[in-house]
Amino acid sequence: TQLLEQSPQFLSIQEGENLTVYCNSSSVFSSLQWYRQEPGEGPVLLVTVVTGGEVKKLKRLTFQFGDARKDSSLHITAAQTGDTGLYLCAGSSTSGNTPLVFGKGTRLSVIA
Amino acid sequence: ETGVTQTPRHLVMGMTNKKSLKCEQHLGHNAMYWYKQSAKKPLELMFVYSLEERVENNSVPSRFSPECPNSSHLFLHLHTLQPEDSALYLCASSQDRQGGYEQYFGPGTRLTVT
Repeated sequence: TQLLEQSPQFLSIQEGENLTVYCNSSSVFSSLQWYRQEPGEGPVLLVTVVTGGEVKKLKRLTFQFGDARKDSSLHITAAQTGDTGLYLCAGSSTSGNTPLVFGKGTRLSVIA
Repeated sequence: ETGVTQTPRHLVMGMTNKKSLKCEQHLGHNAMYWYKQSAKKPLELMFVYSLEERVENNSVPSRFSPECPNSSHLFLHLHTLQPEDSALYLCASSQDRQGGYEQYFGPGTRLTVT
């Protein structure tokens, strides 16, 4: 069974600080997706990374896929209160014929 | 209306009740999913439908019964639930059931079993 471990589980920071959250596995994934879930809503896709070593930027968010396609990180620069939410990573199996595997998520709280 | 909608948003039911959750997607997708989201647990995939055919059932108790009458609608019928079934139930859809496709989630139904 493929597992995705996310760390930290909880993170509380002041507005304006930088942070990095991690998504790790012992398995190789063909692609990895990051979702953000706000309270009372379903997860919303932020980005998909496909190539080992790939870096994608979405405004203040930088996503990196590990060279071996087993891990990923999300870095937020100058966090804002609107970044508060649950960040989920989800991996797509190399076999291609199974649904996404989700991690438990990192719950981020950005305080003004 | 666009995206994935779910009704009701909140549901409180007793253990002897029967209720149904409804999901509708307006995206023309072929695959639809039911997930359970509890505190301190990852998203648990319950059921997967592809082109209206159930293709995955992850050892879900029989008190949860899915129905997919067409590619746009998905139901989850609930009966004789237990308090530990209280959770957020999320519906999602994707272009295809293979993992590489983005999943679009509904807002969820917050279920409380008393």
